[in-house]
Amino acid sequence: QKEVEQDPGPLSVPEGAIVSLNCTYSNSAFQYFMWYRQYSRKGPELLMYTYSSGNKEDGRFTAQVDKSSKYISLFIRDSQPSDSATYLCAMSEGGTNAGKSTFGDGTTLTVKP
Amino acid sequence: GAVVSQHPSRVICKSGTSVKIECRSLDFQATTMFWYRQFPKKSLMLMATSNEGSKATYEQGVEKDKFLINHASLTLSTLTVTSAHPEDSSFYICSATSGTSGRYTDTQYFGPGTRLTVL
Repeated sequence: QKEVEQDPGPLSVPEGAIVSLNCTYSNSAFQYFMWYRQYSRKGPELLMYTYSSGNKEDGRFTAQVDKSSKYISLFIRDSQPSDSATYLCAMSEGGTNAGKSTFGDGTTLTVKP
Repeated sequence: GAVVSQHPSRVICKSGTSVKIECRSLDFQATTMFWYRQFPKKSLMLMATSNEGSKATYEQGVEKDKFLINHASLTLSTLTVTSAHPEDSSFYICSATSGTSGRYTDTQYFGPGTRLTVL
């Protein structure tokens, strides 16, 4: 079993829809949680960063972390065609493993006009 | 956010030649840099972790003599694919982190990637 599980999709939604992306994990030592967006043939770019449990909102994006359930989510409101990309969740322990993240396989999202 | 550059963005070479890829952190000191390989429609596969001034730590199954990594300074790491073969064709991405310092602890900032094609 992988340490981080992410549904690869593909996920296709109409413009304006609310998108929910999720990851589950098994390592209880993870305390930093990130979401990256990767456009085709480009490097991933950091979208959201959360430490420990809770919610974080940034514009149309909301990241949720539930450490008790080992479950994280990314919500995209009012989705736009420009949101079409692959979304990768990532998590790290910090401490002696500072900087080393474990990535999900990515979910491919298409937002249709 | 922090900026990481990679050069070249695309390279085509003949089988048997060596290719060097550079990764630079432009506006922060990267205590650690990572090298990934990504196949089409697949996730990132970590190849190695490199700390400035130390030997790189390679993931299981990655040949250290084939993929030479040098982390000469806090802003530069290089990956050299030696005696490249067609099966080495892939998208190589580096990332850099400042570890526990900086605004986002443990966050990796990625370069734009290098597409290597070996003929």
